[in-house]
Amino acid sequence: DAGVIQSPRHEVTEMGQEVTLRCKPISGHNSLFWYRQTMMRGLELLIYFNNNVPIDDSGMPEDRFSAKMPNASFSTLKIQPSEPRDSAVYFCASTTTGGNEKLFFGSGTQLSVL
Amino acid sequence: GESVGLHLPTLSVQEGDNSIINCAYSNSASDYFIWYKQESGKGPQFIIDIRSNMDKRQGQRVTVLLNKTVKHLSLQIAATQPGDSAVYFCAENSGGSNYKLTFGKGTLLTVNP
Repeated sequence: DAGVIQSPRHEVTEMGQEVTLRCKPISGHNSLFWYRQTMMRGLELLIYFNNNVPIDDSGMPEDRFSAKMPNASFSTLKIQPSEPRDSAVYFCASTTTGGNEKLFFGSGTQLSVL
Repeated sequence: GESVGLHLPTLSVQEGDNSIINCAYSNSASDYFIWYKQESGKGPQFIIDIRSNMDKRQGQRVTVLLNKTVKHLSLQIAATQPGDSAVYFCAENSGGSNYKLTFGKGTLLTVNP
């Protein structure tokens, strides 16, 4: 089992550029989460999908952030335009329970916006 | 225990000792609690969970204790090993939510050989 796969592992970009983060959840998992981690705010839930449908996007900071899940095996988180304050580690997590039990996290994408 | 701010609480123990990591959770309506371990450069990894109808749950070398009266959660690690060095987060299900978790700020555990 390869676990939750995220790409890229590291992304360095300039302010104003579009950034796309990718996630492949564990096969068979029907719930997918995007989290952001910073030293100041810790781990924050950005958006939650269940059966490919966005259920709660109240954690998405601004309209510059958008997320999609076109099928059960792929999700993207896009930031357009990116800003330096978006610099953080972005994690994708999945679970089979349909909720928040025993989330399996990917290794994260370290995003730096210059 | 947990705290807000730039500096993580730190616990330093000797290899072989027992470790106790504490967490104060915020919402009295939360009824599901989890401990995660995060090693450097990796995502959080599930360790153990507990529901509010229990006050103790044991796993392999780990025990979670829940005190709902004072909204306190602790993680005990027996015979701590160097591989246990990591940041440990407690999480609560945000007032009973079946999908939303509120994470604490984390405690850095360092195990000295």
